[in-house]
Amino acid sequence: DSGVTQTPKHLITATGQRVTLRCSPRSGDLSVYWYQQSLDQGLQFLIHYYNGEERAKGNILERFSAQQFPDLHSELNLSSLELGDSALYFCASSVGAGGPHEQFFGPGTRLTVL
Amino acid sequence: GESVGLHLPTLSVQEGDNSIINCAYSNSASDYFIWYKQESGKGPQFIIDIRSNMDKRQGQRVTVLLNKTVKHLSLQIAATQPGDSAVYFCAETENYGQNFVFGPGTRLSVLP
Repeated sequence: DSGVTQTPKHLITATGQRVTLRCSPRSGDLSVYWYQQSLDQGLQFLIHYYNGEERAKGNILERFSAQQFPDLHSELNLSSLELGDSALYFCASSVGAGGPHEQFFGPGTRLTVL
Repeated sequence: GESVGLHLPTLSVQEGDNSIINCAYSNSASDYFIWYKQESGKGPQFIIDIRSNMDKRQGQRVTVLLNKTVKHLSLQIAATQPGDSAVYFCAETENYGQNFVFGPGTRLSVLP
């Protein structure tokens, strides 16, 4: 158990809908990262938040957004969902904002768009 | 559990043998590298890391080798055990940033 929690574990929805994925980092970690893992694209970095502020953006679509709240939990919002958004979404946390800090991954949320 | 990368390259080794998993990275400016292990149905788990000012780093039963000349990274697992069966990813980043680029992964299968 990494100490990072993600809810829900599974999510099934229809095209065009909007969903919110939630992540709680390990106690004491200030950074939260979101990743998408699909069969054809592998593991891709989406976005990084540190202590409530966005720090880095990766391959995140404009239909996706995220935020980190004062209690340090984070939410990833996916809107106007398409079939291709079906994937595993992982959240990870680390102590710092940069440097060689180990990232601890949560168990993931499996999103299926029908 | 969920299937990750159904068509990943697979390395099959006998239990007790040593395993070598290779990774070619793309960015010559990358200065920090991590190997992750992902078991079925779980998130990636940190195994070992290495900075670009090193060419070898050892952990418990694992060794990472870095060849910056040819942009190649390898993970060696000694005395491979059934619990080592998983998908292994290398990840690279530049300026010690947290925006990691992950390799496609290699599935390690340990045969009894």
